[in-house]
Amino acid sequence: GQSLEQPSEVTAVEGAIVQINCTYQTSGFYGLSWYQQHDGGAPTFLSYNALDGLEETGRFSSFLSRSDSYGYLLLQELQMKDSASYFCALFNQAGTALIFGKGTTLSVSS
Amino acid sequence: DADVTQTPRNRITKTGKRIMLECSQTKGHDRMYWYRQDPGLGLRLIYYSFDVKDINKGEISDGYSVSRQAQAKFSLSLESAIPNQTALYFCATSDDAPGLAKTYNEQFFGPGTRLTVL
Repeated sequence: GQSLEQPSEVTAVEGAIVQINCTYQTSGFYGLSWYQQHDGGAPTFLSYNALDGLEETGRFSSFLSRSDSYGYLLLQELQMKDSASYFCALFNQAGTALIFGKGTTLSVSS
Repeated sequence: DADVTQTPRNRITKTGKRIMLECSQTKGHDRMYWYRQDPGLGLRLIYYSFDVKDINKGEISDGYSVSRQAQAKFSLSLESAIPNQTALYFCATSDDAPGLAKTYNEQFFGPGTRLTVL
């Protein structure tokens, strides 16, 4: 089957750097995605890694190691507005729909 | 105007009632999805559709049915609602199959419907 594991909670202070890890198990791999969700809101796409390495988008970066079945989301220069839930996701074995991890709640304090 | 809309935004119903949640999109996407979200469980896929003639079950389809009335509309029905179907429901759309291009991977979510079954 498929599964994704990520920490349930992470806390940090403004201006800091935080890394949210995601390990996965799957037999067919089409890339690892990251989504952000503010409390009660719609999830929004952050980043996608199909190949090994680092993808950078402003303050956010995402990393993938397919050999280790591992990825992470790196958030730099944390701001209060980054307090949200972050989900890693990968496509199901048929490549037809996303399977999401249970999410990591990030709390940023001043 | 929002690209993906859901109605109603909030709904309280009683056990045994049939209810329908509706989703409309103006993004022109072929692929549409229904997810439910429960605290601590993330987003779980209920059904998905790649066109009006294509309906597929997700991981938690029992107790639900769907209808793809048009490319832009995808409805979720609870035939006989039960309290453990109380959750936040999201509709999403996407453009194409997964691949190496980022635009093929992104899903666009509606604002959600908060459903309470008493």
